[in-house]
Amino acid sequence: EPEVTQTPSHQVTQMGQEVILRCVPISNHLYFYWYRQILGQKVEFLVSFYNNEISEKSEIFDDQFSVERPDGSNFTLKIRSTKLEDSAMYFCARHGTVRGYTFGSGTRLTVV
Amino acid sequence: AQKITQTQPGMFVQEKEAVTLDCTYDTSDQSYGLFWYKQPSSGEMIFLIYQGSYDEQNATEGRYSLNFQKARKSANLVISASQLGDSAMYFCAMREGRGGTASKLTFGTGTRLQVTL
Repeated sequence: EPEVTQTPSHQVTQMGQEVILRCVPISNHLYFYWYRQILGQKVEFLVSFYNNEISEKSEIFDDQFSVERPDGSNFTLKIRSTKLEDSAMYFCARHGTVRGYTFGSGTRLTVV
Repeated sequence: AQKITQTQPGMFVQEKEAVTLDCTYDTSDQSYGLFWYKQPSSGEMIFLIYQGSYDEQNATEGRYSLNFQKARKSANLVISASQLGDSAMYFCAMREGRGGTASKLTFGTGTRLQVTL
């Protein structure tokens, strides 16, 4: 199965700035997910996206976060005004088969 | 209650030995899936093995096998013939509901495995 590609691999941003994390390119997939992993901690679900709509979101996914699929292939996660506690690894994932969810290589976000 | 519990924060195993990583889960769904992922120091999440709640046989994938005990709600990962490259963080995860839906994965806190010479 094709891999999930994420860009950038590492992003450093100043507190209060907007960041956009990308999964590129993906086509012919319906289910997408964003997860977050704060350093040394477990992987936490943020949001699932099905057929171009949010299917489910966690309590972490507040008004600072948004997701979209602007051109039918790229799948983005936007954080409007970053906080120090947003520093984490962010994973995009797709649901490919009943067996497995394929994760991207992740974007390490550092907020300074 | 935690949906996925991994009680071993760290484990050591000698090269070529087998090791079992524990995972217990909690769900009221009849249909669910259990997954194990490996996360090396580079950070990526690598799918290892899957067990469906209705699968009668324990899943196996090469050196990985899943010891599924439904009544006990446990899904332990067994790695046989450990290799140095197996040193990594291992996460157990669960999908509640049928496969083919957009159900999220819920992860445990992970077990860090260190393989020694």
